Amino acid sequence: EPEVTQTPSHQVTQMGQEVILRCVPISNHLYFYWYRQILGQKVEFLVSFYNNEISEKSEIFDDQFSVERPDGSNFTLKIRSTKLEDSAMYFCASMPSGANVLTFGAGSRLTVL
Amino acid sequence: QKEVEQDPGPLSVPEGAIVSLNCTYSNSAFQYFMWYRQYSRKGPELLMYTYSSGNKEDGRFTAQVDKSSKYISLFIRDSQPSDSATYLCAMSYSGTYKYIFGTGTRLKVLA
Repeated sequence: EPEVTQTPSHQVTQMGQEVILRCVPISNHLYFYWYRQILGQKVEFLVSFYNNEISEKSEIFDDQFSVERPDGSNFTLKIRSTKLEDSAMYFCASMPSGANVLTFGAGSRLTVL
Repeated sequence: QKEVEQDPGPLSVPEGAIVSLNCTYSNSAFQYFMWYRQYSRKGPELLMYTYSSGNKEDGRFTAQVDKSSKYISLFIRDSQPSDSATYLCAMSYSGTYKYIFGTGTRLKVLA
């Protein structure tokens, strides 16, 4: 069964460093998402991406964050100048055209020290 | 008022019990409703998807949507220890790409 693949599964970084989280969405999906889940809290929407541009973003997704689809398969989330409160699980999700159902990856756990 | 509310639990039931999980919401525009299951430190896994009102059944799982009450439910029949997980409701509406999640209900099925 097709799946969304995320790397790395766990990244530890120092406060102030930049991290890039990578995702390979399902190949025929057209909509891509990043969600965040701080430990013990709800899954929060960060950003959606369609047709090579951001279609919607939350108030969490400020100038510290950026997304990119550098090639036909990868979808990345860059977090600049990381803060302690950025520690969370980051989930990538994708959705095909014509279906309102998200498929999630297993997540990337980010720990900022 | 939160946009999507869900009792965090934990909810403990004996094996074989019927489980009822619920979410309420405030935005009457929501029309796409999903239930996800999430095991500890894993990604959410889609269980059920319902558009607008009504019931949908898939094996041991039944999803119900009552738009007049702004209330959705997931029923699990013949619950198994392997059903022990956190169950998340999520919803959206036309004109947005954003899906709003509830906080999740932690379910424990005791053998």
